[in-house]
Amino acid sequence: EDQVTQSPEALRLQEGESSSLNCSYTVSGLRGLFWYRQDPGKGPEFLFTLYSAGEEKEKERLKATLTKKESFLHITAPKPEDSATYLCAVPQLVDSNYQLIWGAGTKLIIKP
Amino acid sequence: DADVTQTPRNRITKTGKRIMLECSQTKGHDRMYWYRQDPGLGLRLIYYSFDVKDINKGEISDGYSVSRQAQAKFSLSLESAIPNQTALYFCATSDAGTDDTGELFFGEGSRLTVL
Repeated sequence: EDQVTQSPEALRLQEGESSSLNCSYTVSGLRGLFWYRQDPGKGPEFLFTLYSAGEEKEKERLKATLTKKESFLHITAPKPEDSATYLCAVPQLVDSNYQLIWGAGTKLIIKP
Repeated sequence: DADVTQTPRNRITKTGKRIMLECSQTKGHDRMYWYRQDPGLGLRLIYYSFDVKDINKGEISDGYSVSRQAQAKFSLSLESAIPNQTALYFCATSDAGTDDTGELFFGEGSRLTVL
């Protein structure tokens, strides 16, 4: 069964302390991996799409990378405003349509 | 104003009651989705619609129904609510031309509590 697993469930960092979040997937024929950010009380907001192993995307202090089995979201010198839950998702073919399978998310807390 | 608007934002109801959650969008997108989010679980797809005449069941459609009244409006109904339908519900839209990008635009969610 296709699955998306994110780790850790929660991560507490000091402001400026760099780290990485992991998203591993088991889906054949990957058609992209997507990262979203979700703030408390809000809907998820799109960050990145990665299509092939070795691809990287950057946005401010975030950099997403992709291998054949997992993706990493690296956060460099984070600030408190980077605190959020980060979600990843991959498309799964179901009855001739693609549906996204979502990970449970990593809750990132950046302390000043 | 938000591009994807959900109403109500919060609702408390009792077991057996009929509930409707409404979603409207101003993005002009053809595709609309209803997701459910529970603590510790990923978003799960309930129903999706690629246009007014095309509605499809998602992973967890049992106990739910939908109506696509217009391109901009997509409603989710719980005919007889039960406590395990307590969750945060999200409506989302996407542009048919960007189907594979996974770029969905979400509303701010409707928190439903069934007592």
